[in-house]
Amino acid sequence: QKEVEQNSGPLSVPEGAIASLNCTYSDRGSQSFFWYRQYSGKSPELIMFIYSNGDKEDGRFTAQLNKASQYVSLLIRDSQPSDSATYLCAVNMDDMRFGAGTRLTVKP
Amino acid sequence: GAGVSQSPSNKVTEKGKDVELRCDPISGHTALYWYRQSLGQGLEFLIYFQGNSAPDKSGLPSDRFSAERTGGSVSTLTIQRTQQEDSAVYLCASSLNQAENTGELFFGEGSRLTVL
Repeated sequence: QKEVEQNSGPLSVPEGAIASLNCTYSDRGSQSFFWYRQYSGKSPELIMFIYSNGDKEDGRFTAQLNKASQYVSLLIRDSQPSDSATYLCAVNMDDMRFGAGTRLTVKP
Repeated sequence: GAGVSQSPSNKVTEKGKDVELRCDPISGHTALYWYRQSLGQGLEFLIYFQGNSAPDKSGLPSDRFSAERTGGSVSTLTIQRTQQEDSAVYLCASSLNQAENTGELFFGEGSRLTVL
């Protein structure tokens, strides 16, 4: 069974705070992991990918991967109202599977 | 073209009719995906093509759904005898090569299907 689980939220944080988004996956052999952002009415767009255990930082975004725990997360520092969107976790399990997404609202 | 192109962008049909959705991937992308997204929901995997072959068809919801890809490029998703529960946005995405690279997907704008 190829499953990717996310808390559906909604998650609400004040502007400037850290938003933490979590994801677990079922296939222990998975090697590549992605975070996509989807604005309302738009298609998903890639914001980060990670392959190795540990942290990967890109600007205000940090992806964290723990393959032993089958867990991947996304931290957004200094959250902005423009970060308000649905964040989709995707895992390459021989094909690309997505979680249900977490809706994030950043309040000014 | 520069991006993934899907058509039609919107389709309204009557229950019981057949519909065909088209996806033209980014040139050179060998991997092609179809997903379905109902309102407020995540991306439901339908089918994945590597070249012209589909290693995994298990995501297709029923035998009313079929998909093909010819020439390693354009793909069509066909829904026969549409039902109201088929109403959703159908997203197509392509990737340079599923097996050998990051697997980053590039999405089209989607085809919104409404079954009355």
